[in-house]
Amino acid sequence: SQKIEQNSEALNIQEGKTATLTCNYTNYSPAYLQWYRQDPGRGPVFLLLIRENEKEKRKERLKVTFDTTLKQSLFHITASQPADSATYLCASYSGAGSYQLTFGKGTKLSVIP
Amino acid sequence: EAGVAQSPRYKIIEKRQSVAFWCNPISGHATLYWYQQILGQGPKLLIQFQNNGVVDDSQLPKDRFSAERLKGVDSTLKIQPAKLEDSAVYLCASSLDLAEETQYFGPGTRLLVL
Repeated sequence: SQKIEQNSEALNIQEGKTATLTCNYTNYSPAYLQWYRQDPGRGPVFLLLIRENEKEKRKERLKVTFDTTLKQSLFHITASQPADSATYLCASYSGAGSYQLTFGKGTKLSVIP
Repeated sequence: EAGVAQSPRYKIIEKRQSVAFWCNPISGHATLYWYQQILGQGPKLLIQFQNNGVVDDSQLPKDRFSAERLKGVDSTLKIQPAKLEDSAVYLCASSLDLAEETQYFGPGTRLLVL
């Protein structure tokens, strides 16, 4: 079965810097990967989706990349702000008849003023 | 547009007791999901409904967990009897349809089993 690995449990960065979070998948290449944000005591909120045939996607200060050779997605937040502090989850959707999303453990980002 | 509603928000029970969680998805969303999120982990899918039919319940511990979505709208997840390891946040999510890419999550129910 698919496994999603987010190697960094926690990441601390200075305000204004770019945060880069990593998501690696094992086994088969997913039809797409999604990134969610989760604040304490709340459910995940969808941020971005990138498909297998896309290399890069952007939304405001967010950028996500998908490298099928490395089996990896990178999630970037540029000009980070303390309000960006949260846990970020990567999720894989296999397609091909399986409608399941498989989530990683998440990376807790802290942006220090 | 109202989001996914869940109740209760918190529940404390003793092991071997039973508990039920309720979810009301976004209006018009055909697909409903129940996830279990243990502290420090990502959400794990327990069961997925399309209208009132089960699409996937492969990760649902059926000896103690059950779920229903009788009229294709609200859903209830039940645990009977609860074990200590069931302590987790139970998240409900919905999407417009099965292959719809974006899932909308509710705030979750935090369960503590003593």
